[in-house]
Amino acid sequence: RKEVEQDPGPFNVPEGATVAFNCTYSNSASQSFFWYRQDCRKEPKLLMSVYSSGNEDGRFTAQLNRASQYISLLIRDSKLSDSATYLCVVNPNNAGNMLTFGGGTRLMVKP
Amino acid sequence: GAVVSQHPSRVICKSGTSVKIECRSLDFQATTMFWYRQFPKQSLMLMATSNEGSKATYEQGVEKDKFLINHASLTLSTLTVTSAHPEDSSFYICSARDRVAGGYNEQFFGPGTRLTVL
Repeated sequence: RKEVEQDPGPFNVPEGATVAFNCTYSNSASQSFFWYRQDCRKEPKLLMSVYSSGNEDGRFTAQLNRASQYISLLIRDSKLSDSATYLCVVNPNNAGNMLTFGGGTRLMVKP
Repeated sequence: GAVVSQHPSRVICKSGTSVKIECRSLDFQATTMFWYRQFPKQSLMLMATSNEGSKATYEQGVEKDKFLINHASLTLSTLTVTSAHPEDSSFYICSARDRVAGGYNEQFFGPGTRLTVL
């Protein structure tokens, strides 16, 4: 079983749609969780951290369910510019600061 | 956010040659830098963790004699792919962690180096 699993997609959605991605992680002791965005042939960039209480940043909402060991990302009112690969990232322990990346979920927003 | 640069951005070389990739933190000191590799349609895989002034820690399955890492200063780490072969062709990305004590510190990623070995 992979440490961090994501549906690779692609998710093809029209502009304005709401889309949600899920991610599961295997290490129950994981401490920190993030969503990164990676554009084609570019480096990943931090989109948002995921907090236990859930957090929102504009059109993006992240949720964490520790009991079920999954993380979600909700994107409302999708824009063409949201087209990218979204990487679920887990830090197994804060001390090491190492990141474990999921395989990514590809999103294509169509006009 | 903080800026991390990588050089070169793209390199094409013949099989058997060695390639050096530089990773620099431009506006902060990085006690720790990480080297990742990403094959097409796959996720980033951590290759090694590089701490300034000490030997790098390699992930299982990564040959330390083939991927030489040097972290001689708080702003520079280098990865040398020795005797590169076509199967080493990949997207190599470094990241750097700001020198702030305690807790999780965000990693800032370089723009990556695309290596093609003919």
